[in-house]
Amino acid sequence: GENVEQHPSTLSVQEGDSAVIKCTYSDSASNYFPWYKQELGKRPQLIIDIRSNVGEKKDQRIAVTLNKTAKHFSLHITETQPEDSAVYFCAAVPSGSARQLTFGSGTQLTVLP
Amino acid sequence: GAGVSQSPRYKVAKRGQDVALRCDPISGHVSLFWYQQALGQGPEFLTYFQNEAQLDKSGLPSDRFFAERPEGSVSTLKIQRTQQEDSAVYLCASSSGTMSYEQYFGPGTRLTVT
Repeated sequence: GENVEQHPSTLSVQEGDSAVIKCTYSDSASNYFPWYKQELGKRPQLIIDIRSNVGEKKDQRIAVTLNKTAKHFSLHITETQPEDSAVYFCAAVPSGSARQLTFGSGTQLTVLP
Repeated sequence: GAGVSQSPRYKVAKRGQDVALRCDPISGHVSLFWYQQALGQGPEFLTYFQNEAQLDKSGLPSDRFFAERPEGSVSTLKIQRTQQEDSAVYLCASSSGTMSYEQYFGPGTRLTVT
């Protein structure tokens, strides 16, 4: 089955700096890669996603890049703000599945004011 | 519009008790997923419904876990004879249709088995 690895597990940045979180996946046929933000005690929120036929997608301060050859994708947050502090999860939808998500282990992002 | 809702938000059960967790998906959403999230980890898939049909239950950890969605809307996850290792947050997510990938999550039910 699909296996998603996520790095780093914790990340601290100064307010205004950029943050990058990386994920690798094992199933070369996976075709959908969402990112979720989860604040403590809250529900995971979909913040951006990318399909396998696209290399990059941007939404204001957030961008995701996908390298299908290397089987990795990354989340980029620019001009970080304290409210960006949360746990971020990457996920992949393996081929032949019912579209259930396989998640990475999460990255605790802390933006220091 | 209203998002995915779950109840109860918190449940404490003594080992051996049965529990039932409810999920109300976004109105009109065809697909419904249940996930289990252990402390400090990512959610793990349990089961999937398309309307009332349970098409994938490969993630259910044992036969003590049972899920249903009899009318294709509200879903219930039941855990029989709860054990301490069942302690986790149980998340429900819904998706608009079989051609849609985006999943929207509920707030979860935190189950603590004592």
